[in-house]
Amino acid sequence: GESVGLHLPTLSVQEGDNSIINCAYSNSASDYFIWYKQESGKGPQFIIDIRSNMDKRQGQRVTVLLNKTVKHLSLQIAATQPGDSAVYFCAENRRNTGNQFYFGTGTSLTVIP
Amino acid sequence: DAGVTQSPTHLIKTRGQHVTLRCSPISGHKSVSWYQQVLGQGPQFIFQYYEKEERGRGNFPDRFSARQFPNYSSELNVNALLLGDSALYLCASSLDWGVRTDTQYFGPGTRLTVL
Repeated sequence: GESVGLHLPTLSVQEGDNSIINCAYSNSASDYFIWYKQESGKGPQFIIDIRSNMDKRQGQRVTVLLNKTVKHLSLQIAATQPGDSAVYFCAENRRNTGNQFYFGTGTSLTVIP
Repeated sequence: DAGVTQSPTHLIKTRGQHVTLRCSPISGHKSVSWYQQVLGQGPQFIFQYYEKEERGRGNFPDRFSARQFPNYSSELNVNALLLGDSALYLCASSLDWGVRTDTQYFGPGTRLTVL
C-alpha cells in the first residue's frame, strides 16, 4: 500500500557536523509536509514545514528540501548539537483529507559529543 | 501559556476492559486530533474533532470512539481492549479545521499498556 517511509532508521553524527535525514512518500496527492522531532517521553514537536509549491525552506539551523519528481524530502540540520538527539518524523498531508497527517516510521538521530 | 495536556500519563488495563483518555487543547484552539503511536513506529491518525463534530476518522475499528466538549477538550474511548492497543496515545490541537497548514501541537501522550 501507499506509505510514507524513511530510508534510514538510525543515524549517528559527530557534534558540530551536519545531519541529513531522508523521507520518501508515494502518494501523489501529498502536497504539504511537516518535519517533527520527538524526544523520549514527549510528543512530537513541530520543526519546519513545506508546501508542494516550494522545493526548499529554511529555518533556524534546519533546511527542508522537497523533490516532487522522485517524491522525496530531506531535513538538514546544521552544526548538530547533543540536544538534537531524538527521533525525527516526516508527516504528509494529502489533498481532500483535511488536517489528517500520515507519519513515516521515523529516524533516530544520535549526536556523539 | 500551557500546552496540550493529557491525562493520565500512564495506564495499565487488562484485555476486554474499557479505557477513557482525556485531552485539553491549547487555549483558543478549537480542533483536537488523536493519534496512536505503537512503539517504534510513527503516529497513526485516529480522529479529528472540530466544534464538537467529527471531521476525520482513520482506519480504526468501531471500538475506538471520541467526543469533544463545549470547552474544546476531548475524550478518546476504547472498548474491549486488545493487547495490540498498547501504545502511546497522542492528542494534538490546532486553531482551526480545514486549514491544512494550521500547525498541530502535540501533547506528551498517554502510555496505555494492555495486559
